[in-house]
Amino acid sequence: QSVLTQPPSTSGTPGQTVTISCSGSPSNIGTNNVFWYQQLPGAAPKLLIYRNHQRPSGVPDRFSGSRSGTSASLAISGLRSEDEADYYCSAWDDSVSGLLFGGGTKLTVL
Amino acid sequence: EEQLVESGGGLVQPGGSLRLSCTASGFTLSSYTMNWVRQAPGKGLEWVSYISSWSSVIYYADSVKGRIIVSRDNAKNLLSLQMSSLSPEDTGIYYCARETTLELWGQGTLVTVSS
Repeated sequence: QSVLTQPPSTSGTPGQTVTISCSGSPSNIGTNNVFWYQQLPGAAPKLLIYRNHQRPSGVPDRFSGSRSGTSASLAISGLRSEDEADYYCSAWDDSVSGLLFGGGTKLTVL
Repeated sequence: EEQLVESGGGLVQPGGSLRLSCTASGFTLSSYTMNWVRQAPGKGLEWVSYISSWSSVIYYADSVKGRIIVSRDNAKNLLSLQMSSLSPEDTGIYYCARETTLELWGQGTLVTVSS
């Protein structure tokens, strides 16, 4: 059971905006940076957002992240078919001295 | 091009051991902390271990503590994961990834624990 809680699935139509939530606790999201990863089918995960809202070079600005208190969210605007993937949040947890992942959210583009 | 390549996966019987390797190229391994992350078939990501740049700080997930040893040889640009007392629950793809940001991932190596 993941300590970071994400919805198992979400969906949207092309052009829409979808938001994926990630809920944690004071010892992880409440204290440390949140990261988001995209995993396309059959591929290794890829860093999408770091330090809560920063985008690595090459990641489109359609992807945005935010953090508030013990929760974080990933927003994907202008949804495209190639965005169909699994999305994971992560944050370091000071109480267990380890990196936690959310259970992952499967995004379906209808 | 910066790259991480895992190797050493395979089929092992329950109770057996396996040593995974992660070879870095295109960058200097000693400048970065490293992590191992695994993914059971059809499941989510699970962090396994962290090792600091010069091995002074090491962390393990509770699920593997006592059964896994992470190490690195910066001179060889090599990260290793020695696994023992393996169980079917350890089956999955094992990835090495750079920094706590996991900014760079390898393609993974598959470990299957089965009789």
